[in-house]
Amino acid sequence: AQSVTQLGSHVSVSEGALVLLRCNYSSSVPPYLFWYVQYPNQGLQLLLKYTSAATLVKGINGFEAEFKKSETSFHLTKPSAHMSDAAEYFCAVSVGDKLIFGTGTRLQVFP
Amino acid sequence: AAGVIQSPRHLIKEKRETATLKCYPIPRHDTVYWYQQGPGQDPQFLISFYEKMQSDKGSIPDRFSAQQFSDYHSELNMSSLELGDSALYFCASSSHPRQGNEQFFGPGTRLTVL
Repeated sequence: AQSVTQLGSHVSVSEGALVLLRCNYSSSVPPYLFWYVQYPNQGLQLLLKYTSAATLVKGINGFEAEFKKSETSFHLTKPSAHMSDAAEYFCAVSVGDKLIFGTGTRLQVFP
Repeated sequence: AAGVIQSPRHLIKEKRETATLKCYPIPRHDTVYWYQQGPGQDPQFLISFYEKMQSDKGSIPDRFSAQQFSDYHSELNMSSLELGDSALYFCASSSHPRQGNEQFFGPGTRLTVL
């Protein structure tokens, strides 16, 4: 069965530092992978998605993710964190037409 | 741009009562998905509809039922509510139930069962 695993339920960085949120997938077929962000008391917003067109995917708000088949990973990065990036981030895989989410990583950004 | 609309945004019910959550998809989207997010949990898929027919089903309790209407809006009906049903319920829509299609999420309905 396809699934995703997010390593680290909490990540803290200083403003301006590199953001790295980890996601590993399990799939016997090429997966469709997504990163969503959830701000407090809000819905889920798509940051980016991988659909096999390119291994490096650029998303909104300066985020990007690289699909690495050899490592079965799809880690989310941002070169310089901003206070407004503080939120919950979910990695997800498309199974059929539904999404299966990871357990989420809460990003804290300190001034 | 128009987004997914969910109503109500907040709902408080007593145990054993019923609740109805509504979802209005983005115009021209024909597919609706329902997810449940418990406190501190990841969203869990409940059920989906395409062109008014159920297309997939997840871990949805038998006490819950849902349907999609001719205008593509969807309603999630929850009966015999339990304390454990307290959660954030998201609706999402897409233009077609194809794997890899982006799902656009609504703001959610926060259900509290007392």
